[in-house]
Amino acid sequence: ETGVTQTPRHLVMGMTNKKSLKCEQHLGHNAMYWYKQSAKKPLELMFVYSLEERVENNSVPSRFSPECPNSSHLFLHLHTLQPEDSALYLCASSQDRTGTTYNEQFFGPGTRLTVL
Amino acid sequence: AQSVTQLGSHVSVSEGALVLLRCNYSSSVPPYLFWYVQYPNQGLQLLLKYTTGATLVKGINGFEAEFKKSETSFHLTKPSAHMSDAAEYFCAVRAGGFKTIFGAGTRLFVKA
Repeated sequence: ETGVTQTPRHLVMGMTNKKSLKCEQHLGHNAMYWYKQSAKKPLELMFVYSLEERVENNSVPSRFSPECPNSSHLFLHLHTLQPEDSALYLCASSQDRTGTTYNEQFFGPGTRLTVL
Repeated sequence: AQSVTQLGSHVSVSEGALVLLRCNYSSSVPPYLFWYVQYPNQGLQLLLKYTTGATLVKGINGFEAEFKKSETSFHLTKPSAHMSDAAEYFCAVRAGGFKTIFGAGTRLFVKA
């Protein structure tokens, strides 16, 4: 595998379900990101981890819970979601240790989430 | 605070015609600017970036962009459109911390 991979690619869940999205980066980067992409809206940054420490948390509802066990893996745990949470969830990584370098992000293909 | 405005949510050009996608930014510190492209069912891919130095930046697939500080603009151009250029394009600014601010995107249509 190369680049940034995400699983599953598609997920349909009911509002009472619990599921997790997985992201893995094979680039040796030290920062990882979760974004939400909804139709007709700009990309929304959800969480950022640098060296497995959360450094950004953009007022995301607690029904979304991130986890970064190591610098290569990032999870987004989902529970009791709402229909308006249906979106494409994108994971990205970059080589930015302190947040003072501004390297580009490498994105995965996303998980298309539908909440019924 | 930083912000990005992309003028035109949809742009349509004929194959072989000039592509111009507009981006204006706002930043309180010297900005680092990016253009990303997204093809259907894929994540975003970097086209080009401006950090410091030369203001005309060349990217992949024949695209280029010019940083104009006085106009706070970073428009994306390509001299001759190809059918394969049809996609959504995002301008982004990064200035401080780990946060990148993305524009709302411009969908490019290329007519045969």
